[in-house]
Amino acid sequence: GNSVTQMEGPVTLSEEAFLTINCTYTATGYPSLFWYVQYPGEGLQLLLKATKADDKGSNKGFEATYRKETTSFHLEKGSVQVSDSAVYFCALSDPGGNEKLTFGTGTRLTIIP
Amino acid sequence: NAGVTQTPKFQVLKTGQSMTLQCAQDMNHNSMYWYRQDPGMGLRLIYYSASEGTTDKGEVPNGYNVSRLNKREFSLRLESAAPSQTSVYFCASSGGQGAGSPLHFGNGTRLTVT
Repeated sequence: GNSVTQMEGPVTLSEEAFLTINCTYTATGYPSLFWYVQYPGEGLQLLLKATKADDKGSNKGFEATYRKETTSFHLEKGSVQVSDSAVYFCALSDPGGNEKLTFGTGTRLTIIP
Repeated sequence: NAGVTQTPKFQVLKTGQSMTLQCAQDMNHNSMYWYRQDPGMGLRLIYYSASEGTTDKGEVPNGYNVSRLNKREFSLRLESAAPSQTSVYFCASSGGQGAGSPLHFGNGTRLTVT
């Protein structure tokens, strides 16, 4: 079946540090890949997505590249801010074409001023 | 825009009690979902509805039932609550445009079963 393995947290960084959160996946076929972010007390929000190999998704300074050869979709940001503190989820869509998502376990990120 | 609205926000039940979690979306989306979020386990799909009138089991359907009342509303029912159902429940919807369509989530219902 489909699965997502995500870097375990929690992760604590200083403001302006470089961020990487690792995500690898297992799936048959070619899923779409997503990063969602969850702020305290809220639901998940789409951060970025990529729908095919070598696509780069980007939003709010975050980037992730769909690497089929390494089955990875690592999230990066060059300079984090306190407002980036949240829980980040990697997810993949069902390669069968419907929109069901399989999520990783989430990584809690805390940025210290 | 309201987006996806869930009620209630919080609920405490005793073991064996029943309740229904309500969800409504105003984006004219075809597909709706119920997930549960547990520490260290991410989000797991309970049930989903690809269109009005259809429902299908997800990864963890035992102990739950759903109703797709119309295109807007998708409810989740616990007939006899158990402590293992203590969790945060999220409803989501998507636009039915295939595998690249993002999900839009409500703010969740935090359920405690004692």
